[in-house]
Amino acid sequence: GDSVVQTEGQVLPSEGDSLIVNCSYETTQYPSLFWYVQYPGEGPQLHLKAMKANDKGRNKGFEAMYRKETTSFHLEKDSVQESDSAVYFCALSDLGAGGSYIPTFGRGTSLIVHP
Amino acid sequence: NAGVTQTPKFQVLKTGQSMTLQCAQDMNHNSMYWYRQDPGMGLRLIYYSASEGTTDKGEVPNGYNVSRLNKREFSLRLESAAPSQTSVYFCASSGDRGVVRAFFGQGTRLTVV
Repeated sequence: GDSVVQTEGQVLPSEGDSLIVNCSYETTQYPSLFWYVQYPGEGPQLHLKAMKANDKGRNKGFEAMYRKETTSFHLEKDSVQESDSAVYFCALSDLGAGGSYIPTFGRGTSLIVHP
Repeated sequence: NAGVTQTPKFQVLKTGQSMTLQCAQDMNHNSMYWYRQDPGMGLRLIYYSASEGTTDKGEVPNGYNVSRLNKREFSLRLESAAPSQTSVYFCASSGDRGVVRAFFGQGTRLTVV
């Protein structure tokens, strides 16, 4: 089945540091790729997306490039801010056996930016 | 625009009790999902429904049942709660055209003692 593997646990940069959160996926099909963000006490919400190979998703200074050749979708930002602190999930959405799109999520990365 | 609404937000159950988590969406989506979130485990799919009247098992269905009551509503039932079912439960929905992204509810924090 489909799977997503991302940088696990906590990432603890200081404000102004650059950031890369790794994400690799495995699927037999042609998925859409997503990063979701989750703030305390809330459900995950879409952060950025890429629909096909070589697309780049962008939002609030974050970027992620859909790289089919390396099956990766790393989340990057040049200069993180304290307000970026949250849990980030890499995800793919693919057609399941029953003809329904089924989102598959990584285990989440807790980003804690120190002032 | 309410999006995905879950009730209740918090619940404490005793082992062996039953309960139903309710979920409704107002976006006319065909697909609906139930996930559980546990520390270090991410979001794991319990059940999903591709359309009204159909349901399928996800990664961790044991101990749960679901009902797709109509296009708007998708409920999750715990028949005999166990401490291992202590978790945060999220309902989500998605369309099936264009950008197939998931919209999530606020979650239900369930504790089984």
